[in-house]
Amino acid sequence: AQSVAQPEDQVNVAEGNPLTVKCTYSVSGNPYLFWYVQYPNRGLQFLLKYITGDNLVKGSYGFEAEFNKSQTSFHLKKPSALVSDSALYFCAVSQNSGYSTLTFGKGTMLLVSP
Amino acid sequence: DAGVIQSPRHEVTEMGQEVTLRCKPISGHNSLFWYRQTMMRGLELLIYFNNNVPIDDSGMPEDRFSAKMPNASFSTLKIQPSEPRDSAVYFCASSLRTGVPEQFFGPGTRLTVL
Repeated sequence: AQSVAQPEDQVNVAEGNPLTVKCTYSVSGNPYLFWYVQYPNRGLQFLLKYITGDNLVKGSYGFEAEFNKSQTSFHLKKPSALVSDSALYFCAVSQNSGYSTLTFGKGTMLLVSP
Repeated sequence: DAGVIQSPRHEVTEMGQEVTLRCKPISGHNSLFWYRQTMMRGLELLIYFNNNVPIDDSGMPEDRFSAKMPNASFSTLKIQPSEPRDSAVYFCASSLRTGVPEQFFGPGTRLTVL
């Protein structure tokens, strides 16, 4: 079985400050890892993914995520937060063999204050 | 590309009525997923199809829920009879089965059962 934990229901950060949204995962074998963002009344939008290779993955809107195999983590980061980054963020994992579905975390609400 | 298309965007119905949600996946994608999102339970996978064939419907909550995919460009999720606890946002997503299972989400249908 595969699972994702997002330990924070909400993250608050001031505009211009760096942000981190945490994610840890559990999966058999090697993982595919994803971050999605959901704005109010919208569907989930893909931000970035880790498949293999460089542990630091760069994605849309200046976001990046760092894969840490020993800590089974895939934290989302951004050097300088914008008010417009305020949204609900989901981490997801899939098993890197054959085909399996995505398992999503419960989501973390990011609030960026002006 | 128009992305994943869902209709209706909003549905308000009375308990006991039949509800049909519709989804058109991205052209060329051969996997389709139905999710339900609520505040209490987060994002739940209900059922997914590969090449129009249902693969895993273990997430379908009850026999009142059914899903079909008669062809590669159309799927329906039906609730009959509907109950107030079915009120949620229902998302459809699609992906290419081969390679990394990155999913693309539709805008969702907000269902309210009175």
